[in-house]
Amino acid sequence: DTGVSQNPRHKITKRGQNVTFRCDPISEHNRLYWYRQTLGQGPEFLTYFQNEAQLEKSRLLSDRFSAERPKGSFSTLEIQRTEQGDSAMYLCASTRGGANEQYFGPGTRLTVT
Amino acid sequence: AQTVTQSQPEMSVQEAETVTLSCTYDTSENNYYLFWYKQPPSRQMILVIRQEAYKQQNATENRFSVNFQKAAKSFSLKISDSQLGDTAMYFCAFRTSWEGGGADGLTFGKGTHLIIQP
Repeated sequence: DTGVSQNPRHKITKRGQNVTFRCDPISEHNRLYWYRQTLGQGPEFLTYFQNEAQLEKSRLLSDRFSAERPKGSFSTLEIQRTEQGDSAMYLCASTRGGANEQYFGPGTRLTVT
Repeated sequence: AQTVTQSQPEMSVQEAETVTLSCTYDTSENNYYLFWYKQPPSRQMILVIRQEAYKQQNATENRFSVNFQKAAKSFSLKISDSQLGDTAMYFCAFRTSWEGGGADGLTFGKGTHLIIQP
């Protein structure tokens, strides 16, 4: 266990529904990252926060995706109007910043039917 | 944009053997960081080893070592005395240096599935 937790671990939803995932980073970590991993691929960077500020977004993060990190603690990732192509593992990671190691959570596996 | 290539989708070796996983990358940056992450089946991804590009000495962590060839943009992972618990997906990842600014997220390769046979 790396100390990063994610909930739920699995989510099955119908196309068109909205879903929200939660990530709780290691408490002293000021940076939090979201990645998406599809089957047979490495994780792809989506976005990251330094404290409560969202500093970078990947082009993969369409306007149906939104992420927040209120008060610089836990973070949520919401996907609106889900599509089958959104089916993937969504990983969260945290770090103290700089080039320090990113600690990954167990991920939330999303299946859109 | 940086790219990371792992050309070995799957490798299988006998327990106690030494195995080398390959990784090449493409970047125009001079300062950056390279990582190998391990993702065991249904378990969290963990860092195996990291290398700063400005350091010429290859990083070593117990049975894990890297061969970092900056000019060739190559970053291979060697696992000595392989153990059954080493069975996992291994991902090579790249990150630009904080001092240089730029993207802060990791860029990963597609991974190598390493199987250690008893």
